[in-house]
Amino acid sequence: QKEVEQNSGPLSVPEGAIASLNCTYSDRGSQSFFWYRQYSGKSPELIMSIYSNGDKEDGRFTAQLNKASQYVSLLIRDSQPSDSATYLCAVTGGSSNTGKLIFGQGTTLQVKP
Amino acid sequence: DVKVTQSSRYLVKRTGEKVFLECVQDMDHENMFWYRQDPGLGLRLIYFSYDVKMKEKGDIPEGYSVSREKKERFSLILESASTNQTSMYLCATVTRNTGELFFGEGSRLTVL
Repeated sequence: QKEVEQNSGPLSVPEGAIASLNCTYSDRGSQSFFWYRQYSGKSPELIMSIYSNGDKEDGRFTAQLNKASQYVSLLIRDSQPSDSATYLCAVTGGSSNTGKLIFGQGTTLQVKP
Repeated sequence: DVKVTQSSRYLVKRTGEKVFLECVQDMDHENMFWYRQDPGLGLRLIYFSYDVKMKEKGDIPEGYSVSREKKERFSLILESASTNQTSMYLCATVTRNTGELFFGEGSRLTVL
């Protein structure tokens, strides 16, 4: 059974702090990794994708990938109350980009003013 | 921008009714998906389609069927709705080169 594990939280950080969200996955063949943000009652929204080891930065967001450790993380710098949401980690089931993703259960982030 | 449109945001149906959920995408993508999302269970794949009239079962296909007569449209059908099908249903399409999945706004179905 291919799995993606996330701490459900809630993760609470003060406004302006760095939020660190973590994810581990079981399938060593996975090649593509994604972070989605989901506000309550809304659908998931893609915020980051990463395909190779190392860091990828986009504005206040940095995704980190370590395939040897089967670990993906998302850092949110200068956290804002509007970042309060559930963050879903998703990985491909194997090496193809068919779109069949395996999702974690999500980590709820609360950013307190 | 990828646009995935789900026809109904909120539906209330009675047990035994037939339910149609429709999804349209405007990016000429081959692959389309139906997921359901429930608290504590996360996102689970019901069915996906990789071309017109082609479909493949996902992890939880029981009680559902799908139709893809045109490339841009993918429908989820509940032949006889049951209360355990009360859920948020999410349609998605994928960008082939990147594998990035894009979701519609979701359809929240309540079966009484």
